[in-house]
Amino acid sequence: GQNIDQPTEMTATEGAIVQINCTYQTSGFNGLFWYQQHAGEAPTFLSYNVLDGLEEKGRFSSFLSRSKGYSYLLLKELQMKDSASYLCAGLDSNYQLIWGAGTKLIIKP
Amino acid sequence: DAMVIQNPRYQVTQFGKPVTLSCSQTLNHNVMYWYQQKSSQAPKLLFHYYDKDFNNEADTPDNFQSRRPNTSFCFLDIRSPGLGDAAMYLCATSRDLNLGGGQPQHFGDGTRLSIL
Repeated sequence: GQNIDQPTEMTATEGAIVQINCTYQTSGFNGLFWYQQHAGEAPTFLSYNVLDGLEEKGRFSSFLSRSKGYSYLLLKELQMKDSASYLCAGLDSNYQLIWGAGTKLIIKP
Repeated sequence: DAMVIQNPRYQVTQFGKPVTLSCSQTLNHNVMYWYQQKSSQAPKLLFHYYDKDFNNEADTPDNFQSRRPNTSFCFLDIRSPGLGDAAMYLCATSRDLNLGGGQPQHFGDGTRLSIL
């Protein structure tokens, strides 16, 4: 079966760095997405990785290892507004998105 | 400017009373999706349209139907809502079905459906 695993909840401190991990099992692989979803709002696109390595976008970076079926989202210089759920989604061989349940990130002052 | 608009944001209906949720888009995207998302769960794809071609997920109950009268609008009809259908319903669009290359889905803010 196809599956995305990510931690249910994480807590971090304002100004710090946090890494949210995601492991995936998909039938084939055509890339991995990260979305941010504030409570009661729409998911918004953060990043996409299809090749191994790190993609950096300002305070957010995303890493992929295809051989390990593993990705992480790295958030630096955390701000209170970063409190949200972070959803990992893998794209299988049929270009179907397999979604994780999301990691709820709580930022404390 | 909102590009995927869902109305209403909150909808309350009675058990068994049909309800329709609406979605419109200004992106002129070919594909429109409906997802159901329950608290702390992954979004669950119900169906999608590629232009006028309708694709139902195998495990979507018959109670859920959809219409896409034109490129811009898509509707989700729940014929006889049960208590288990209380959820956030998200509409999304993409330019193409092939999301490879990092083409993202664009989501509306969702409609939160409550069943009395």
